[in-house]
Amino acid sequence: QVQLQESGPGLVKPSETLSLTCTVSGGSISSYYWNWIRQPPGKGLEWIGYIHYSGSSNYNPSLKSRVSIVVDTSKNQFSLKLSSVTAADTAVYYCARDSCSGGNCYSDYWGQGTLVTVSS
Amino acid sequence: DIQMTQSPSSLSASVGDRVTITCRASQSINNYLNWYQQKPGKAPELLIYAASSLQSGVPSRFSGSGSGTDFTLTISSLQPEDFATYYCQQSFSTLMYTFGQGTKLEIK
Repeated sequence: QVQLQESGPGLVKPSETLSLTCTVSGGSISSYYWNWIRQPPGKGLEWIGYIHYSGSSNYNPSLKSRVSIVVDTSKNQFSLKLSSVTAADTAVYYCARDSCSGGNCYSDYWGQGTLVTVSS
Repeated sequence: DIQMTQSPSSLSASVGDRVTITCRASQSINNYLNWYQQKPGKAPELLIYAASSLQSGVPSRFSGSGSGTDFTLTISSLQPEDFATYYCQQSFSTLMYTFGQGTKLEIK
C-alpha cells in the first residue's frame, strides 16, 4: 500500500521560504507524477505543481515565480520550496501521487496533509 | 486557464436521497475530469476518474458522467458517511490543473 507523508516546519515567518518534503513508502517514486496541493483554512483546493520522477515539472502560473519542486529518487522523496511567503500562503499542504490513463491524470494517493502557518 | 464551476455550492439532503452535483468547464476538457470527496480534517479521496471510471474500493452508489464541458457526480442513495465536500478537477490542461470550488453536502 502506497503511503505519502509530508514533513517540515509548521511555522514560517513572512518573507522566508517554506520547505516541505514528501516521503513515499510502499512503492517506488519512479513512473509517476507527484503533486503538491494546498488548502487555506476553510477554503477549497489549489494545485501548486507537479514533478515527474524524471525531473520535469510544471507549476501553477500564479505561484510559478516563487515555487520549486524537486525529486530525489534515491530517497523516494520529493520536495516543495515556496519563497517570499505571506499570510496568504497559510494552508494545509498535501502531497499526492498522480496516476495517468489515456491522458487523464488523477491523484489516487494523498498524504494526510500538514498545516503551515505564516506568521512572525 | 480552464475554470471549473460546481453547482450547487452547498446541498442539504437526507439519507437515502439521490443527489446530483454538477461541474462545468470553461472549455472542452474531453473526459479529463476527476471527482474527490473530502471529509473534515482529512485529505481528499479519489472517487471517479476520467469522468465515469469508479476508483477501486469506492461504493457503486457513486457514479460519474459527462464529456466536453458538462459533468455530473451522482450518489444513488445517500449514506451517512457520504456527507462531505466534493470537488471536481480537470487534468486536460497539463500546464495547470484546476479544481472546482467544492460542493458541501449536508444532512437535512
